[in-house]
Amino acid sequence: AQKITQTQPGMFVQEKEAVTLDCTYDTSDQSYGLFWYKQPSSGEMIFLIYQGSYDEQNATEGRYSLNFQKARKSANLVISASQLGDSAMYFCAMREGRGAQKLVFGQGTRLTINP
Amino acid sequence: ETGVTQTPRHLVMGMTNKKSLKCEQHLGHNAMYWYKQSAKKPLELMFVYSLEERVENNSVPSRFSPECPNSSHLFLHLHTLQPEDSALYLCASSQWETSGFPDTQYFGPGTRLTVL
Repeated sequence: AQKITQTQPGMFVQEKEAVTLDCTYDTSDQSYGLFWYKQPSSGEMIFLIYQGSYDEQNATEGRYSLNFQKARKSANLVISASQLGDSAMYFCAMREGRGAQKLVFGQGTRLTINP
Repeated sequence: ETGVTQTPRHLVMGMTNKKSLKCEQHLGHNAMYWYKQSAKKPLELMFVYSLEERVENNSVPSRFSPECPNSSHLFLHLHTLQPEDSALYLCASSQWETSGFPDTQYFGPGTRLTVL
């Protein structure tokens, strides 16, 4: 079974609008971490935001916020006031267990911002 | 140089060639990783090195051979590859804390490998 599911292969959004990228995960561990990465066409994976399973508040980093709903096992990324430079692939990833190093990635969502 | 660097950025090789990918991290981390990203497949972890010891080998064929001479450098030696090994190979680093959660992984720009 897939550990990380991103159901939106592609999304098209108008510049300056907010966008939500969906991510659901599957784990039986109590301790885990959730990450979002951005991958522009250049290939580099850029870390955006992290949410720990015990964090009570939703993580925020500038225009990025993570809508963490633990009971539903979802960790959606919200980008406010989208910009043309936000066009890229976005990956949700999970690290299971305390001390584990392995990141499991979803299939990704290709976000295109239209002017 | 800052962050994680990888060389070469692009590599074309024949099936009988031997080549090496190089990764260097300038973040003071003690764990390094190799990932493979194929078209239409999720990113796959290949190898993990922590404190210069290999802690995970994710069922990778022996034609891929990693080497970690110190905490800042990681190599992936390639020999007799197959066309299906063509992919983007990404290196990452993080700080491994045995007392708690390891830190976020930071990635390099990748090496785009084409096997003819």
